[in-house]
Amino acid sequence: DVKVTQSSRYLVKRTGEKVFLECVQDMDHENMFWYRQDPGLGLRLIYFSYDVKMKEKGDIPEGYSVSREKKERFSLILESASTNQTSMYLCASSSHTGSSYEQYFGPGTRLTVT
Amino acid sequence: SQQGEEDPQALSIQEGENATMNCSYKTSINNLQWYRQNSGRGLVHLILIRSNEREKHSGRLRVTLDTSKKSSSLLITASRAADTASYFCATDAGGYQKVTFGIGTKLQVIP
Repeated sequence: DVKVTQSSRYLVKRTGEKVFLECVQDMDHENMFWYRQDPGLGLRLIYFSYDVKMKEKGDIPEGYSVSREKKERFSLILESASTNQTSMYLCASSSHTGSSYEQYFGPGTRLTVT
Repeated sequence: SQQGEEDPQALSIQEGENATMNCSYKTSINNLQWYRQNSGRGLVHLILIRSNEREKHSGRLRVTLDTSKKSSSLLITASRAADTASYFCATDAGGYQKVTFGIGTKLQVIP
């Protein structure tokens, strides 16, 4: 059974803290993605990675960075958390193989910044 | 940038009825997917339809695609309370299997 796991389901951090969100997939997928989901805005792509050590900005990268040192792990970093980064964060992965665009999602991390 | 827009944003039906959700998009696509999200959870892939296909079925799901109108619909037949969820369409958005998600339709199926 394919699996994408995220390090925390719920997280509460203070303004200015550095926050790490981790995502691990066990499907040997090349592509990994970080989204944030907000009411009325749907899912918005923050960053994605198509290979180890490779990363590309998505639609809303400001205030975030990422790290992919191993194929199975993709980390999202909030350098200095702010209240407007309170959101649900979703990690996903997909394979390069063929023309399938199916993404597999983790359960999400609900981050609150106070 | 949001590519897809679902309509309606919310839908409430009785168990056993059919539910239809629509998705419109702006630019040409290679494929379109539908995902389901149960409350507070990650998304689950339901079905993918390619631009050269007009209709696709999977169990109680029927998806249509009209590339001339840049729209797709998802029909869930004989709905169940367990179908209560948000449904998102997603269109391909360039390389690396990137997709762009719509805002979603929140479906409530009343037992």
